[in-house]
Amino acid sequence: GEDVEQSLFLSVREGDSSVINCTYTDSSSTYLYWYKQEPGAGLQLLTYIFSNMDMKQDQRLTVLLNKKDKHLSLRIADTQTGDSAIYFCAERVGRGSTLGRLYFGRGTQLTVWP
Amino acid sequence: DSGVTQTPKHLITATGQRVTLRCSPRSGDLSVYWYQQSLDQGLQFLIQYYNGEERAKGNILERFSAQQFPDLHSELNLSSLELGDSALFFCASSATSGSNSPLHFGNGTRSSVT
Repeated sequence: GEDVEQSLFLSVREGDSSVINCTYTDSSSTYLYWYKQEPGAGLQLLTYIFSNMDMKQDQRLTVLLNKKDKHLSLRIADTQTGDSAIYFCAERVGRGSTLGRLYFGRGTQLTVWP
Repeated sequence: DSGVTQTPKHLITATGQRVTLRCSPRSGDLSVYWYQQSLDQGLQFLIQYYNGEERAKGNILERFSAQQFPDLHSELNLSSLELGDSALFFCASSATSGSNSPLHFGNGTRSSVT
């Protein structure tokens, strides 16, 4: 559970959809998360998905999970300039009492142009 | 607001000195995690505590130490500081260690070593 890969940069125009992709290597990942970090701020939990789910929708956010390919994506509909931030994908491995830390990707810098 | 409080926000210290970073978890959360964020290493897991006991250890230097107190707040001590220790240190908390209670992060303490 230590290799989580993300592309480093994504630029979109305001009003378009953004899709941030992530791949992970540990097939025993139990939960997968998306966090958002704005400049000078901490990591804000956006959403997460359990590994037995394919999709989760929460307002403008849609998470898709392809467990076979170990691929996770975050789609932001109607992207706004306020969505500009760094987005981190993270996996959590283990079950029950062994469920613990998160392994993070390097983050994707999303820039939204007006 | 995640409910996780970190103090101070920023530390400026000379090389060779020692500093203490403090974290108050969300009310009711028993587990505390420390992460270090730097440009070259990304988000690195340092250490996890659960209800006062060390639960997991990551890439924490021997010059760094941490503990969780009976009131569940945690402190991270950085000693013999080097220029390379300049980074953003995050604390996160979760309700338990063994279920999917997500990690909630504080706003971080920025350590600047001069």
